Amino acid sequence: NAGVTQTPKFQVLKTGQSMTLQCAQDMNHNSMYWYRQDPGMGLRLIYYSASEGTTDKGEVPNGYNVSRLNKREFSLRLESAAPSQTSVYFCAGGYNEQFFGPGTRLTVL
Amino acid sequence: GENVEQHPSTLSVQEGDSAVIKCTYSDSASNYFPWYKQELGKRPQLIIDIRSNVGEKKDQRIAVTLNKTAKHFSLHITETQPEDSAVYFCAALWGGNNRLAFGKGNQVVVIP
Repeated sequence: NAGVTQTPKFQVLKTGQSMTLQCAQDMNHNSMYWYRQDPGMGLRLIYYSASEGTTDKGEVPNGYNVSRLNKREFSLRLESAAPSQTSVYFCAGGYNEQFFGPGTRLTVL
Repeated sequence: GENVEQHPSTLSVQEGDSAVIKCTYSDSASNYFPWYKQELGKRPQLIIDIRSNVGEKKDQRIAVTLNKTAKHFSLHITETQPEDSAVYFCAALWGGNNRLAFGKGNQVVVIP
């Protein structure tokens, strides 16, 4: 089992460009999450999905959209990237205990 | 929402000594408190957790204690080793949708 996987691992964007971060899990979790991690700020919840077909805003949703394509996949989209979105993005799945993906390091120039 | 705070932000200990990290939380309805370890460049991984009906839980060299009245919980690492050097995050479950609120993390440095 791969657990939680994310693509890409690294990405550099220019301001205004768009991109989608992909996340997939093979652990049969109903709940999936997107976090961003910035130095000194811990892990902050962007969006989450409690079950297939539902999504809800977390602590810092502005500038992002999500899609829960099916039970396995939960994608995060940046429509118009800004330098403030430079961060490490983690996807996670789980009920109570959350299992994290390897992360995507995104730089917006 | 839930607010989780961690202290101290950085902790340096001599190898073999103990390390203690304390977290406080604000929502008295929170009932699940995990601790995650994140090594440099890696993903956070769960190392131990505790539920609100338990006051203490141990797993080899690590333990977590919970004081519901005071709304704080602590991670204890005994006989520290260099591989314990990492950032440790505490969290609290809140809001009924399995959302975790994370603290900002503690950098633990074990000095050989």
